[in-house]
Amino acid sequence: AQKITQTQPGMFVQEKEAVTLDCTYDTSDQSYGLFWYKQPSSGEMIFLIYQGSYDEQNATEGRYSLNFQKARKSANLVISASQLGDSAMYFCAMREVQTGANNLFFGTGTRLTVIP
Amino acid sequence: EPEVTQTPSHQVTQMGQEVILRCVPISNHLYFYWYRQILGQKVEFLVSFYNNEISEKSEIFDDQFSVERPDGSNFTLKIRSTKLEDSAMYFCASSPQGQVSREQYFGPGTRLTVT
Repeated sequence: AQKITQTQPGMFVQEKEAVTLDCTYDTSDQSYGLFWYKQPSSGEMIFLIYQGSYDEQNATEGRYSLNFQKARKSANLVISASQLGDSAMYFCAMREVQTGANNLFFGTGTRLTVIP
Repeated sequence: EPEVTQTPSHQVTQMGQEVILRCVPISNHLYFYWYRQILGQKVEFLVSFYNNEISEKSEIFDDQFSVERPDGSNFTLKIRSTKLEDSAMYFCASSPQGQVSREQYFGPGTRLTVT
């Protein structure tokens, strides 16, 4: 089974509008972390936001917020007031604790296109 | 701001040749990683390295791969005999600790093309 599932291969959003990128995860660990990374066309991986499994509040970083629904095992990224520079691939990733693994498991990504 | 660096940015090699991809992690970080991303696909974990030894590796990381930290700054990935399917972007990452909350800082990647 996939640990991270991103069901939206591509999304379009009008500039200045908000957009939600979906991510669901699968783990039996009680302690884990969820991350979102942005990959622009230049190829680098840029960290955006982190949510811990025990965090009671949804994480926010500027225009990025994470809609964490633990019971549904979802960790959707919300980008508010989209800008043209937000056009990129977005990857959701998870890191588990109890397995002892430090590595990140990535989803297949969502390509976001911001329309002027 | 400190960053992870990788060289070269693009490497072209012939099938069967050995390649070494180099990374300089952030200086006070303790954990180092290699990931790869085949064009158009997701990022996949290869190996993690801590305290001068491999701490975890995936099934992709077979005997053709090796990692080394030859000095206090460099972290290398060697592919002994490259195959066409090794063509991918290879990312190095580092983190200050192994805690689940600590992000991994990624380098800009090395695009490996095997012909």
